[in-house]
Amino acid sequence: AQTVTQSQPEMSVQEAETVTLSCTYDTSESNYYLFWYKQPPSRQMILVIRQEAYKQQNATENRFSVNFQKAAKSFSLKISDSQLGDTAMYFCAFISPPNSGNTPLVFGKGTRLSVIA
Amino acid sequence: NAGVTQTPKFQVLKTGQSMTLQCAQDMNHEYMSWYRQDPGMGLRLIHYSVGAGITDQGEVPNGYNVSRSTTEDFPLRLLSAAPSQTSVYFCASSYSGTVLSEQYFGPGTRLTVT
Repeated sequence: AQTVTQSQPEMSVQEAETVTLSCTYDTSESNYYLFWYKQPPSRQMILVIRQEAYKQQNATENRFSVNFQKAAKSFSLKISDSQLGDTAMYFCAFISPPNSGNTPLVFGKGTRLSVIA
Repeated sequence: NAGVTQTPKFQVLKTGQSMTLQCAQDMNHEYMSWYRQDPGMGLRLIHYSVGAGITDQGEVPNGYNVSRSTTEDFPLRLLSAAPSQTSVYFCASSYSGTVLSEQYFGPGTRLTVT
């Protein structure tokens, strides 16, 4: 079974600084997608960034970037120039291909990030 | 587009009562799913559907039923509520039946079972 591990339950960062959230996963699949979702206090789930396993280039979305290490099964999220609005729970998620026999979407337990002024 | 809508936003049930959580999407998405979110547990998949008439179990399906009679709707039924089902429930949909695409989430339903 696929598993996703976020080893940092809570983190904090000063405004304008850079922070990295860790995520590791376990799978025997070679083709899959990885996502980072943000959940602010409003409870709404918001997609931050996605990475396709077959792409070697790390995904980037404005201040958000990932460090995808396929061999190490690691998928960390870097937030640059942190803003107060980045305060939220962040979830790493793994999607396996259809008909693989695995639960299609698995989330980590989340990292609560606080941005401090 | 309204996106993914869920009703109700809040619900309190007594043990043994039944109810249906409603989920609808107007994006013509084939894939729909239900998750529950519990403190310290992240989101766990309950049931999912890759198209009308097709459903399958996720990680924590016990105590829940689903059906998918139309592309738009994917209700989640609790037949006999238990305190262990106290949670926040999210419905999500995505564009293709391959599930390899962004999940659009509803606003969630907070359910308390006493």
